Amino acid sequence: GAVVSQHPSRVICKSGTSVKIECRSLDFQATTMFWYRQFPKQSLMLMATSNEGSKATYEQGVEKDKFLINHASLTLSTLTVTSAHPEDSSFYICSAAPGGYNNEQFFGPGTRLTVL
Amino acid sequence: GENVEQHPSTLSVQEGDSAVIKCTYSDSASNYFPWYKQELGKGPQLIIDIRSNVGEKKDQRIAVTLNKTAKHFSLHITETQPEDSAVYFCAYSSGNGNQFYFGTGTSLTVIP
Repeated sequence: GAVVSQHPSRVICKSGTSVKIECRSLDFQATTMFWYRQFPKQSLMLMATSNEGSKATYEQGVEKDKFLINHASLTLSTLTVTSAHPEDSSFYICSAAPGGYNNEQFFGPGTRLTVL
Repeated sequence: GENVEQHPSTLSVQEGDSAVIKCTYSDSASNYFPWYKQELGKGPQLIIDIRSNVGEKKDQRIAVTLNKTAKHFSLHITETQPEDSAVYFCAYSSGNGNQFYFGTGTSLTVIP
């Protein structure tokens, strides 16, 4: 149980294009989903928190117009990197939280984005 | 406060020896402390967690201890195996929703 998937697992795109990454909780409903980015040999950096049906809350320094997050259902959240540039190349990881007292988060396998 | 100090940053042990990784936090409201294992190119995988009402938890070769007074918690891996080699992250939740604060990671290498 508690499986989270991400699609695609890796993507290469040209500078200026937009890329959409999907995060799905496969066997539970996620009241909250989180998006992280991770640079090589570094820790996870929280980008934004999204609750189903409401606007995402972005961390300081994260451009909400560049990283569009949609959490349309309790099992799906999407992150769209708009007008991607080489500096956006990174490993993007989502997590999903069932909510309630447990405070657990289950992570997806990550998406490697390379912007040429 | 979201500060989480994790030590050591790298750790090499001989197969069969024990490995200990320690994290120190600052927020006294923290109530949930998970540990994640991340292999290269993959997402973090929860390996063990502990809540603030418990001092120690064990699952086969893995154990976690929590000292709320000193505000630190540790991961203990006994009888290490080469497949334990990975990067390990501690995290904690402050209780304000589900937001996690992550440690800086420890790269563990188990030498056969």
